[in-house]
Amino acid sequence: EADIYQTPRYLVIGTGKKITLECSQTMGHDKMYWYQQDPGMELHLIHYSYGVNSTEKGDLSSESTVSRIRTEHFPLTLESARPSHTSQYLCATGLAGTYEQYFGPGTRLTVT
Amino acid sequence: QQPVQSPQAVILREGEDAVINCSSSKALYSVHWYRQKHGEAPVFLMILLKGGEQKGHDKISASFNEKKQQSSLYLTASQLSYSGTYFCGTEPAGGTSYGKLTFGQGTILTVHP
Repeated sequence: EADIYQTPRYLVIGTGKKITLECSQTMGHDKMYWYQQDPGMELHLIHYSYGVNSTEKGDLSSESTVSRIRTEHFPLTLESARPSHTSQYLCATGLAGTYEQYFGPGTRLTVT
Repeated sequence: QQPVQSPQAVILREGEDAVINCSSSKALYSVHWYRQKHGEAPVFLMILLKGGEQKGHDKISASFNEKKQQSSLYLTASQLSYSGTYFCGTEPAGGTSYGKLTFGQGTILTVHP
């Protein structure tokens, strides 16, 4: 069973605010991912990391940024939230050399 | 490019079978299948690799046709617990185990008693 924690689980915030979505894991997995998913829609990869100090953008263009200073921590930051950022953000991890991705519970973000 | 799943939705009675397809216009390295129940996170089901054999997981199995760049997920003798949205995620040829996936739009499976 994967231990992936995302905080906050729900966030309602006003336009223009800076927000950071937290993702942490206790499995020591090298690979970590951020996905964006609108209700009833597919998952879109927005960021991924293969290890400490390694981050790459996914296929979906995103105004967010990420950092990977520690193996267990992969926060996502939006400098200035907009209503178009309203969505669910899912964090996932994977063990190097394997294929399975383990998903966290997600953060539902609403920007008013 | 996003893979295309069909059908978009399936309604079954317990014990019936279903097939969900995932097609890509690009040559693929791998196809991954996930199930997401309403309000929950996606859960990994299985992966099909180029040149790999058909996989199975309880009464759920899958195949990968490299010539057609298509994968099919087979659910036999469906159970209520199979209900959810099924997503395929693909990695293009030349890929690795890094898991940079592009997901299809999903297939909603509903199993009734």
